[in-house]
Amino acid sequence: AAGVIQSPRHLIKEKRETATLKCYPIPRHDTVYWYQQGPGQDPQFLISFYEKMQSDKGSIPDRFSAQQFSDYHSELNMSSLELGDSALYFCASSTGEDGEKLFFGSGTQLSVL
Amino acid sequence: AQKITQTQPGMFVQEKEAVTLDCTYDTSDQSYGLFWYKQPSSGEMIFLIYQGSYDEQNATEGRYSLNFQKARKSANLVISASQLGDSAMYFCAMREGAGTASKLTFGTGTRLQVTL
Repeated sequence: AAGVIQSPRHLIKEKRETATLKCYPIPRHDTVYWYQQGPGQDPQFLISFYEKMQSDKGSIPDRFSAQQFSDYHSELNMSSLELGDSALYFCASSTGEDGEKLFFGSGTQLSVL
Repeated sequence: AQKITQTQPGMFVQEKEAVTLDCTYDTSDQSYGLFWYKQPSSGEMIFLIYQGSYDEQNATEGRYSLNFQKARKSANLVISASQLGDSAMYFCAMREGAGTASKLTFGTGTRLQVTL
């Protein structure tokens, strides 16, 4: 079965650079979530989209922005990167018809040097 | 207040034994969902099992079962016949409200180590 696809799998950036993370949800899933997991921590919610509209916002810095496109894929744009942004970034997707099935991608490991 | 509490930072279990990972939650919503995820050292977040607040039966998925005690607000994960591959971090999470786009809140996780 198709899963949530995230790219890239690993990303290395320098301070003050920008990064774009991509997420392709499971087919027919209309809701996308972004989470940030620091080393040894639990995932923290950043932002979510339902039917291409932002539906909820968590602890997402102003330097970050995200959107969901017409094909339901989503991108997380991160600017002016800081050392503290180094983390595992997860995308998850679910469907309005079966909302309890919330599946995560393999994550993007971002390292800011 | 913590919405999801996992009181066991680490657990050991012998291969082929059963183990229970504890999770308590706090919500005033009538409609909510409880999830368990497994995160191996490779980092991916693997969905294990889901329990809805209105589900009368405890959820089961293969060797995983969820011991749901609504009055006590607990949703413990039971893994039967542990295998070495079960060694991982396990997160309990909750989704509040009836909206399908509502976010998950995670607990701090329990690291399970399965020994020979």
